[in-house]
Order: sequence, then C-alpha cells, then structure tokens
Amino acid sequence: AQTVTQSQPEMSVQEAETVTLSCTYDTSESDYYLFWYKQPPSRQMILVIRQEAYKQQNATENRFSVNFQKAAKSFSLKISDSQLGDAAMYFCAYRSAWGGSEKLVFGKGTKLTVNP
Amino acid sequence: DTGVSQDPRHKITKRGQNVTFRCDPISEHNRLYWYRQTLGQGPEFLTYFQNEAQLEKSRLLSDRFSAERPKGSFSTLEIQRTEQGDSAMYLCASSRLAESTDTQYFGPGTRLTVL
Repeated sequence: AQTVTQSQPEMSVQEAETVTLSCTYDTSESDYYLFWYKQPPSRQMILVIRQEAYKQQNATENRFSVNFQKAAKSFSLKISDSQLGDAAMYFCAYRSAWGGSEKLVFGKGTKLTVNP
Repeated sequence: DTGVSQDPRHKITKRGQNVTFRCDPISEHNRLYWYRQTLGQGPEFLTYFQNEAQLEKSRLLSDRFSAERPKGSFSTLEIQRTEQGDSAMYLCASSRLAESTDTQYFGPGTRLTVL
C-alpha cells in the first residue's frame, strides 16, 4: 500500500519570504500523480498544484512550485513571496495512475503560519 | 460550476442514532468520493462512485456505513448506530473522468459530533 509522509507538523514563514514544505511517499508503482492541497481554517480543501510522475519537468503555478525527485520519492512544495492568505494546513497526496486505485492517499499535513 | 456542496454542514447526534449526509457534486462530474478526516489527520478514503456504481470501498467502511448514488448525481452517506469514534469531518469530492489527471474537487464537509 502507498503511504505519504509529511515530516513537518508545523512551519512558519515571514510575509514575502519563501518556504518549502516536505513530502515523501512510498510506492512500488511507476506511474502516479502527486498533489498538494491547501485547507484554510474552517474552509474547504482546494488544489494548489499537481504533478504527473511521468513528467520530468517540475510543475509551477504562479508563486507555487514543486521539486519532484522521483528516484528519491520526494515531492516538496515551495511557496515564494508568502502572503497572509497562504496560512493553512497543506496536505500532500498520492494517487495511482492507470489501473490502480482511484483514491487519494494523504499525508498528515503541515500547518503553515505566515507572520506579518 | 457551483462547486461541491454538502448538507448539513454540522450534525450533533447522540450515540446510537442514525445520521445521513448528502453530497451534490459539480455538475457533469461522473466520479464522487467520500473521505473522513479526524482532528490532526489527513483525509482517509471511504468509498467512491463512478456514475451510480460503487467501485471501491475502504475497510474503514464498516457495516454501519452505507453510501448510495442512485441516479449518478447526488450521493448520501448513512451511518447507523453512531459511535463516539465516528466523530469526524466527512468530506465529499468529485471529479470528471475525462480529465487527464482526474483532479478531485472537495466540498466544505459535514462535521459530525457524536455525544
């Protein structure tokens, strides 16, 4: 079974600075998808960024980018120019690709605090 | 798209009672998922539907849990004889099979408290 590990329960960053959230995963599959979701306090979970394992190029969405290291099974999220609205729980998630389970497997999350 | 909606947002019940939650997916999304999230944890998969067919169920989905999606649109999740351990946030998500990554979009959740 696949597992996702987020080793940083909490992180903090100063407004306008850069922060990196870590995620590692364990799988025997060669094709899969990885996601970062953001869950603000008392608000619903929204997708931040996604990465297809077959793509070598790291995904980027505005201030959010990932460092995908397939051999190391690592998928970190970098947030540049942090804003107060970035404060939230961040969850890393894994999903199998063709022929595997459709479920998302989540890590336990990292609580990000942004200090003004 | 209006987004995934869930009803009710909060439910308080006494142990032993039955509860039912509803999820309305994004229109034209043919896949619908249920997850459970306890405090301090990431969401855990419960079950998923493609159209009206329930294609996968987690071992977390005990006999007291049942989910339906009768017409391939909205879904209900029923918990019978609730226990205090059922207290959690129940999240619904939907996706469209045609998308290459089949991204799941989440609703606001139903927070269940069992007294």
